[in-house]
Amino acid sequence: KQEVTQIPAALSVPEGENLVLNCSFTDSAIYNLQWFRQDPGKGLTSLLLIQSSQREQTSGRLNASLDKSSGRSTLYIAASQPGDSATYLCAVKVGADGLTFGKGTHLIIQP
Amino acid sequence: DAGVTQSPTHLIKTRGQHVTLRCSPISGHKSVSWYQQVLGQGPQFIFQYYEKEERGRGNFPDRFSARQFPNYSSELNVNALLLGDSALYLCASSLTPMAGVNTEAFFGQGTRLTVV
Repeated sequence: KQEVTQIPAALSVPEGENLVLNCSFTDSAIYNLQWFRQDPGKGLTSLLLIQSSQREQTSGRLNASLDKSSGRSTLYIAASQPGDSATYLCAVKVGADGLTFGKGTHLIIQP
Repeated sequence: DAGVTQSPTHLIKTRGQHVTLRCSPISGHKSVSWYQQVLGQGPQFIFQYYEKEERGRGNFPDRFSARQFPNYSSELNVNALLLGDSALYLCASSLTPMAGVNTEAFFGQGTRLTVV
């Protein structure tokens, strides 16, 4: 059974810092890995999708990497801003089933 | 373009009642999946539908059922509601559920269900 773990569970940093969120998964036979952002009480916003054959994806200040063989992904956020405060979720897709999610990293950027 | 839309946004039900939640996917998307998210946890997969057929099911009791209509919209039904069913129910759509770039999932804003 696929399990996804996100470390740290919570993180609070001053505005302007670069930061890294970690995601690990137990079964490397994934189709893809997706990072999401969730604001309190809201739905999920897709940030980046990495196919199993890819090593990284970039969008603006966000960069996500994937090491499928070791079961790890990282989300790098450059020059953090207070608007980046949210919960960040990592999810993997195995087969035709739905996504398996981690519990998320709750991020607070202090102004 | 409209994103994934879910209705209603909030709902309060009594234990033992039945509830129906609705989801309209992004235009052109043929796959819809449902997730349950309880406070402080990541979403848990309930069902996936593609081309009106069930293609995947998570570890949920038979009280949960779903269907997909010819226009690719979907309903999630929950019978005999329990207090533990209180959660945010999320719907996601994608072009297909198969491997490849077309599996990127886009989520709606969710339906907040409270069972009292």
